[in-house]
Amino acid sequence: AQSVTQLGSHVSVSEGALVLLRCNYSSSVPPYLFWYVQYPNQGLQLLLKYTTGATLVKGINGFEAEFKKSETSFHLTKPSAHMSDAAEYFCAVSRYSSASKIIFGSGTRLSIRP
Amino acid sequence: EPEVTQTPSHQVTQMGQEVILRCVPISNHLYFYWYRQILGQKVEFLVSFYNNEISEKSEIFDDQFSVERPDGSNFTLKIRSTKLEDSAMYFCASSEKGGSEAFFGQGTRLTVV
Repeated sequence: AQSVTQLGSHVSVSEGALVLLRCNYSSSVPPYLFWYVQYPNQGLQLLLKYTTGATLVKGINGFEAEFKKSETSFHLTKPSAHMSDAAEYFCAVSRYSSASKIIFGSGTRLSIRP
Repeated sequence: EPEVTQTPSHQVTQMGQEVILRCVPISNHLYFYWYRQILGQKVEFLVSFYNNEISEKSEIFDDQFSVERPDGSNFTLKIRSTKLEDSAMYFCASSEKGGSEAFFGQGTRLTVV
């Protein structure tokens, strides 16, 4: 079975500060890992994904995440927060198999202080 | 850019009524999914669909739910006899292959009164 744990339901940072959203996963098979962002009253947009290969993956809007197998983590970072980054962020896991479902974490709401 | 489209964006229905939520996946995608998000909660998997049949379903996807791909483009979720607790945002998604990036629609907000 696969699962995702996001530490911190709400994170608040100042504009220009480092953003760090934590995600740990559990998977009995090599995972595919994703970060999705959800702006208020909107759908889910893929920020970045890890499938195989390079463990540091870069996504849209300056976000990146590093897959650390030894720590079963896939934390999301951005060096300098912008007001427009305020949103809900979901870490998710799936496995490569036919019609494999995506399992989402409970989400972290990111607030940006001026 | 190709996108998943869902209609309607908002549906209000009376308890006990049937609703059909519609989705048009990306045209070359083969795998289709429905997820739901109750207000303030996590996104939950409902069902996956491939090759005209259900591949996997969650415990939420009980007998009141059904999915169908009536033609080459639409993918529908039917909820028979809606309950108050069915009120949620329902997301359709599609992917080119299993486990790969899923593209999500904007969602249908279902309100059962």
